[in-house]
Amino acid sequence: AQTVTQSQPEMSVQEAETVTLSCTYDTSESDYYLFWYKQPPSRQMILVIRQEAYKQQNATENRFSVNFQKAAKSFSLKISDSQLGDAAMYFCATGGYQKVTFGIGTKLQVIP
Amino acid sequence: DTEVTQTPKHLVMGMTNKKSLKCEQHMGHRAMYWYKQKAKKPPELMFVYSYEKLSINESVPSRFSPECPNSSLLNLHLHALQPEDSALYLCASSLSIAGRQETQYFGPGTRLLVL
Repeated sequence: AQTVTQSQPEMSVQEAETVTLSCTYDTSESDYYLFWYKQPPSRQMILVIRQEAYKQQNATENRFSVNFQKAAKSFSLKISDSQLGDAAMYFCATGGYQKVTFGIGTKLQVIP
Repeated sequence: DTEVTQTPKHLVMGMTNKKSLKCEQHMGHRAMYWYKQKAKKPPELMFVYSYEKLSINESVPSRFSPECPNSSLLNLHLHALQPEDSALYLCASSLSIAGRQETQYFGPGTRLLVL
């Protein structure tokens, strides 16, 4: 079984600043991935970044990076140089084969 | 190309109607998924098809009937729905390599309103 906890229902960040969204998880899988998905008001769920649990190096995609602490079961997302288009609901997720468990999401507001 | 398409974008139906949602991908993915998402909530898994066979049914009421005619298409047939079934229905797909967790790619969703 997997659980994903996002403890920040809403966050805000000033444009061009950096923000970190937190996520903790629990899983019985020995080999797993972790994901951050973004869902703007237009509603399409878009993959932001993923991390393979067996890799120690933190994943990075342009302005998005993660801080993966396997022992602590923590998987936070850092957004640098925030842009207005980053405003969205962000879901942290993990899971087993064919089943993904999502957290409840963090709504990110970007202030111009 | 990581595109999953869904039609229609919006659907309004009465409780006695029969309608279908359609999902399509051409990425060669062999697993396809239906999720239901209520406002301000995460997606909830409904069905998983793997190699055109139903592999997971999360105890979804029979008024929802999935169908996978081929590896690129996934339908969700709707009949005698209830107002509480109003939601965003998301389709997703993934490669489907046995035993491995994979990235799921989502479509834009169909916003369903049941009157």
